[in-house]
Amino acid sequence: AQSVAQPEDQVNVAEGNPLTVKCTYSVSGNPYLFWYVQYPNRGLQFLLKYITGDNLVKGSYGFEAEFNKSQTSFHLKKPSALVSDSALYFCAVRPTAPGAGSYQLTFGKGTKLSVIP
Amino acid sequence: GAVVSQHPSRVICKSGTSVKIECRSLDFQATTMFWYRQFPKQSLMLMATSNEGSKATYEQGVEKDKFLINHASLTLSTLTVTSAHPEDSSFYICSARATGGNSPLHFGNGTRLTVT
Repeated sequence: AQSVAQPEDQVNVAEGNPLTVKCTYSVSGNPYLFWYVQYPNRGLQFLLKYITGDNLVKGSYGFEAEFNKSQTSFHLKKPSALVSDSALYFCAVRPTAPGAGSYQLTFGKGTKLSVIP
Repeated sequence: GAVVSQHPSRVICKSGTSVKIECRSLDFQATTMFWYRQFPKQSLMLMATSNEGSKATYEQGVEKDKFLINHASLTLSTLTVTSAHPEDSSFYICSARATGGNSPLHFGNGTRLTVT
């Protein structure tokens, strides 16, 4: 079974500084990896995904993530944080094998990002 | 981009009543939709997978008779919480996947259910 770990419950960063939200995963075979963002009392918004190809994936709102197979990590990054980036961020993985359940996502517990003005 | 509409956004009901939550894919067809439950400060817990034209697949520990799911068309899935109790109070989120093998899931804005 696959799993996702987000080791930090909360990340605080000053506005304008680079930010990193960490994610490691465990899955059989090659992973499909995703990052989603959730604002208060809202659903999840898709940020970016890694399927195959370049290890550095660029997504919405200036976010990017780097897939590192040897470290089984998929950390989310942004060069310059904005106050409006403050939200809850979820890393997710799903299996690559086709069949029942192959589109189910397994989510990490989430990391609350606070960008301080 | 793909849009998923979830309604209502908030609902308050009395204990013992039933509540229906709708999830619609507005600009794409979704043969599969997923229903999640999110507890405060916790991650999303998959409740069930809704398949158009067939019975939903429930995750272990989720009562199928309590959480009724109907996926009658390619753009609509409903979750009915029957005989609601205060412990059913939670944030419920649906998601749908557009066609295409590697399409991401798109999520509704969620429904905050409060059972008094």
